Amino acid sequence: DSGVTQTPKHLITATGQRVTLRCSPRSGDLSVYWYQQSLDQGLQFLIQYYNGEERAKGNILERFSAQQFPDLHSELNLSSLELGDSALYFCASSVDPRGQREQYFGPGTRLTVT
Amino acid sequence: QQQVKQSPQSLIVQKGGISIINCAYENTAFDYFPWYQQFPGKGPALLIAIRPDVSEKKEGRFTISFNKSAKQFSLHIMDSQPGDSATYFCAATFSGAGSYQLTFGKGTKLSVIP
Repeated sequence: DSGVTQTPKHLITATGQRVTLRCSPRSGDLSVYWYQQSLDQGLQFLIQYYNGEERAKGNILERFSAQQFPDLHSELNLSSLELGDSALYFCASSVDPRGQREQYFGPGTRLTVT
Repeated sequence: QQQVKQSPQSLIVQKGGISIINCAYENTAFDYFPWYQQFPGKGPALLIAIRPDVSEKKEGRFTISFNKSAKQFSLHIMDSQPGDSATYFCAATFSGAGSYQLTFGKGTKLSVIP
């Protein structure tokens, strides 16, 4: 158990809908990273938040957004969903981007868009 | 552009044998190279990591070998066991504006047969 929690575990929704994925980092970790895992693209970095502020963006679609709250949990919002958005979404947390680099992954949310 | 290339895609090893997975990177700014292990239905778990100032790091049955001039690194699993059957990902990162986002290889599915 990495100490990172994600909810829900599974999500099934229809095209055009909007969903919110939630992540709680390990106690004391200030950074949250979001990754998407799909069969064709593999594991890809989406976005990072550090202590409530956006720190870096990767291959994140404009339909996707995220935020980190004062209690450090983070939410990834996916809107206008398309079939191709079906994937596993992981969050990972780390202590501090200027310190230890180890990232610990949560169990993921499996999103299925029908 | 695939910045981290991983091979092989799949690997079958007999119990007690040595499993070897190779990765090559392009970006010379990368300065931290972790390996992750992922079981079906689980999130990636950090296995072992290395920085380019050392050529080898060993933790138990797992060893990373690093060749900076060739821009290559590899994971060796000694005395492979059926419980090691999983997908292994190499990754790389560098310190850019305080973000340590991971760039992953495509993964290697390891099967250890009794």
